[in-house]
Formats: sequence, structure tokens, C-alpha cells
Amino acid sequence: EPEVTQTPSHQVTQMGQEVILRCVPISNHLYFYWYRQILGQKVEFLVSFYNNEISEKSEIFDDQFSVERPDGSNFTLKIRSTKLEDSAMYFCASQTLMFSGNTIYFGEGSWLTVV
Amino acid sequence: AQSVTQPDIHITVSEGASLELRCNYSYGATPYLFWYVQSPGQGLQLLLKYFSGDTLVQGIKGFEAEFKRSQSSFNLRKPSVHWSDAAEYFCAVGARGSNYKLTFGKGTLLTVNP
Repeated sequence: EPEVTQTPSHQVTQMGQEVILRCVPISNHLYFYWYRQILGQKVEFLVSFYNNEISEKSEIFDDQFSVERPDGSNFTLKIRSTKLEDSAMYFCASQTLMFSGNTIYFGEGSWLTVV
Repeated sequence: AQSVTQPDIHITVSEGASLELRCNYSYGATPYLFWYVQSPGQGLQLLLKYFSGDTLVQGIKGFEAEFKRSQSSFNLRKPSVHWSDAAEYFCAVGARGSNYKLTFGKGTLLTVNP
């Protein structure tokens, strides 16, 4: 079964450093997402991306965050200057078409620890 | 805005016993409803989903869920739990017209005793 792959699986970074989390969505999918889960809390929507632009973003997704699809296969989440509260599991997801009934497939997550 | 409540943070059952995980949602119309499972070190795997039609939906791994509009619930059930079902289970709701944005519950951690 096709899957969404994410790298790295775990990254430790110092506060203030830039981090890039990478995702390879399923190849024929057109809609891409990032979600995050702070330890012990809910999985939260961050951003959706289609046609090389952001479709929607949550209030969590402030100016420190950016997304990019640099080469037609990768989908990246960049955190410009990490804060302690950015420590979380970040999930990438993708979907063929953005319409009702379509399954969103999630990757295994990238665990980010900011120290 | 939609919301999801999973009242049970942690449930322990014996292998072979039946299971019901509760999920209540808040949404102004008929929502799209999902159950995902996350095993340790794994991603979120879709177990089943409800969009319309039959309110009892069947999923993978022998799971089923029933949508009850009157109770705003979408409880997950399995008649006989296996040790490999130990994982965290997440209920999620998607708003109609906005299926790309899922709102998740906090999850229920399932422990299975031998």
C-alpha cells in the first residue's frame, strides 16, 4: 500500500535553531497537510497546501512556520527559530482530491525535541 | 467550530473481551467521522470512516463504529480484542465542505492484558 514517508523520525535541536521536516506524500496526491501533536494533547491541524500555495492555516501556523514543495515530490515544514513549545510530533498527510469522502493518509510522524 | 471528546483517556481490557471506545462530537450538521489508530512508533492509520448512508460502518481489523445522530456519538467497537490491538485510538471529525481539516479528540490509550 502506498504510504506517506517522513524524515527525520526524531530530531533534537537547540532553541532558536531552524528545523526542516521533510515529507514525501503519496505520488498521485494533490493536497498536503501538516498536523502536530504536543505530548499528551490532541492532534492539531497546522496547514493545508494545494497547487503550490497554502489553502488554509491555523492560528498556530504563525510567521515562524513555512511550507514548501520544492521539487514536486517533497513537502517540507520549516520552523525558522524553534521555541521550547514547538516540541511535538509533526505529522504530514496527503489526499488525492479535497472532497468529501476522500481519505487523508498520514505519515509516521517526526518527533521534534527543542532543548 | 467542530470539536471531539473522547471521555476515556486510558482503557484496559483482557484479550478476547469486547471493546467500546467512546467518541462524542459537536458540529452543527451531519459531520464526517473517522477513527484512526496509532501504534507505538507508527503513524496514524485509518480504521474506518462515516460519510453518509448506513450508520453502522465496518472497518479494518474487525472494528466497527456506529453513528448516532441523536447522541452525537460515533463509538468504536470490537467484539473480541487481540493483544495486537493495544494502541492509541483517535476519533476525528471533518466539517462538510471542509474535509481537508480534521479535528481530533485527545485519544484513548488501549492496553490489552493477556
